[in-house]
Amino acid sequence: DTAVSQTPKYLVTQMGNDKSIKCEQNLGHDTMYWYKQDSKKFLKIMFSYNNKELIINETVPNRFSPKSPDKAHLNLHINSLELGDSAVYFCASSQEGAPYNSPLHFGNGTRLTVT
Amino acid sequence: AQTVTQSQPEMSVQEAETVTLSCTYDTSESDYYLFWYKQPPSRQMILVIRQEAYKQQNATENRFSVNFQKAAKSFSLKISDSQLGDAAMYFCAYRSRRAQKLVFGQGTRLTINP
Repeated sequence: DTAVSQTPKYLVTQMGNDKSIKCEQNLGHDTMYWYKQDSKKFLKIMFSYNNKELIINETVPNRFSPKSPDKAHLNLHINSLELGDSAVYFCASSQEGAPYNSPLHFGNGTRLTVT
Repeated sequence: AQTVTQSQPEMSVQEAETVTLSCTYDTSESDYYLFWYKQPPSRQMILVIRQEAYKQQNATENRFSVNFQKAAKSFSLKISDSQLGDAAMYFCAYRSRRAQKLVFGQGTRLTINP
């Protein structure tokens, strides 16, 4: 019963290609996120969606386009892939609002390698 | 902007001993949460422990406990009776109650020596 699942686990592709990463959560959470972990293991938020509405867009190149068809899914599409896009991408979810905000639950990550 | 600093890139400890990982943060908010996440080689992000800023009592989860010093903006993690399975990257993280994002520190790689 995976709480936050993302596919694929590994993605190897060439520069210039377009690729997508899918994420689904079965926790009933209303907020989903994409985080990027670079080669130095630093984690930085990219996007946040609350009930399908974009809440956070952290100055990510517009080659990255998140899409949330419903509150249980948040996909990440990347156009014209560049070498610098190589990283591990994590999907996460949480429940926001009263009485308290839940911790983030993370997927297992997608390692993207651009050659 | 909020920042989180982990000043120890690497730490090591003998099995069964105790180790403390340091974390400091910078914020002007008064209502926030602090977290420690563990990332083993499998790269899964696992929540270790959480602290609400309004709670004075330090959080404890089995062998894991924190020393939360709100005035000093310090949030260290103590691991008692270290086990081989504790070897991982440990990330300190902050979020304000208002903001829907988690800000992470740079991480500390913990090695357990048998």
